Amino acid sequence: EPEVTQTPSHQVTQMGQEVILRCVPISNHLYFYWYRQILGQKVEFLVSFYNNEISEKSEIFDDQFSVERPDGSNFTLKIRSTKLEDSAMYFCASSEFPNSPLHFGNGTRLTVT
Amino acid sequence: GESVGLHLPTLSVQEGDNSIINCAYSNSASDYFIWYKQESGKGPQFIIDIRSNMDKRQGQRVTVLLNKTVKHLSLQIAATQPGDSAVYFCAENSGANNLFFGTGTRLTVIP
Repeated sequence: EPEVTQTPSHQVTQMGQEVILRCVPISNHLYFYWYRQILGQKVEFLVSFYNNEISEKSEIFDDQFSVERPDGSNFTLKIRSTKLEDSAMYFCASSEFPNSPLHFGNGTRLTVT
Repeated sequence: GESVGLHLPTLSVQEGDNSIINCAYSNSASDYFIWYKQESGKGPQFIIDIRSNMDKRQGQRVTVLLNKTVKHLSLQIAATQPGDSAVYFCAENSGANNLFFGTGTRLTVIP
């Protein structure tokens, strides 16, 4: 069964550094998403992406965040200058259509020290 | 804004019993709902979905019920097994092509 893959599984970075989290969505999916989950809390929406542009973004997704689809298979989330409170699990998801099930990867655990 | 919440944060059931996990939502414009299962160290896994033009949908061992009058969603798991132990999230979509997740219920199956 096709799946969403994310790399790395764990990223440790120092406060103020830039990080790029990588995702390979399911190949025939056209809608891409990033979510985050702070330890023990609910999954929070960050951004949705379709046709090479952002469709929706939440208040969390401020100017420090950006997304890109650099080629036909990867979807990345960049945090320009990480803060301690950015420590969380970051999940990438994709869907074939709008209002259809999102398929999630297993996440990247980001630890900012 | 949208609000999706769960009545109980934890639920323990005996193996073989049926489980019912509840979820309340506040946005009456939400028209699509999904239940996800999350095991430790993994991403949310799709279980079952339902659209607002339905009030019941069944899958393998799972049933989702939607009561739009009281804005309530439930997930029923029949003959609960140890492998069902996980955190269960409901999520709603109000048409903006993003999902809002509830806080989750931890289901523990007692052998």
